[in-house]
Amino acid sequence: AQTVTQSQPEMSVQEAETVTLSCTYDTSESDYYLFWYKQPPSRQMILVIRQEAYKQQNATENRFSVNFQKAAKSFSLKISDSQLGDAAMYFCAYRPPAQGGSEKLVFGKGTKLTVNP
Amino acid sequence: GAVVSQHPSRVICKSGTSVKIECRSLDFQATTMFWYRQFPKQSLMLMATSNEGSKATYEQGVEKDKFLINHASLTLSTLTVTSAHPEDSSFYICSARRGTGGYEQYFGPGTRLTVT
Repeated sequence: AQTVTQSQPEMSVQEAETVTLSCTYDTSESDYYLFWYKQPPSRQMILVIRQEAYKQQNATENRFSVNFQKAAKSFSLKISDSQLGDAAMYFCAYRPPAQGGSEKLVFGKGTKLTVNP
Repeated sequence: GAVVSQHPSRVICKSGTSVKIECRSLDFQATTMFWYRQFPKQSLMLMATSNEGSKATYEQGVEKDKFLINHASLTLSTLTVTSAHPEDSSFYICSARRGTGGYEQYFGPGTRLTVT
């Protein structure tokens, strides 16, 4: 079964600095999808960034970027120029390939990010 | 686009009663919806996958007779917690996937259920 591991239960960063959240996963598939979701205190899950495994180029969304290392099964999230509004729980998630497989997301346990002013 | 709503946002019910939670995709058709449960300070755990017009697929350990799921239309899925007990108190979140292509799931804002 696929598993997702987030080894950092909590992280903190100074406002305007950069922080990297770690995520590793285990799968025997070659094609799959990876996501980072943000859950602020409101509990609304917000998609931060996504990566298709067949793409070698790392995904980027404004201040958010990933370091996708397929061979190492690693998918870290870098937040640049951290802002107070970035404070939240961050969940890494894996989704199996689209064809013939389950669509369900497998989530890591989350990393609580604190942004200090 | 891709907005998912849930109703109610929070509900308190007495032990032994049933409560229904609605999940709606507001601006897209969702052939597949998912129901998650989240305990405090924990991750999301998938309870079941709901496909429009067919029976839901429940994850191992989830009682299908207790957590009734109905996906009657392309924009609405409901979760009914039957004969609720205090241990059913939790945060329930739904998500939806677009019917035409796409692989992303869009999440609702969640429902806080408290059983007294």
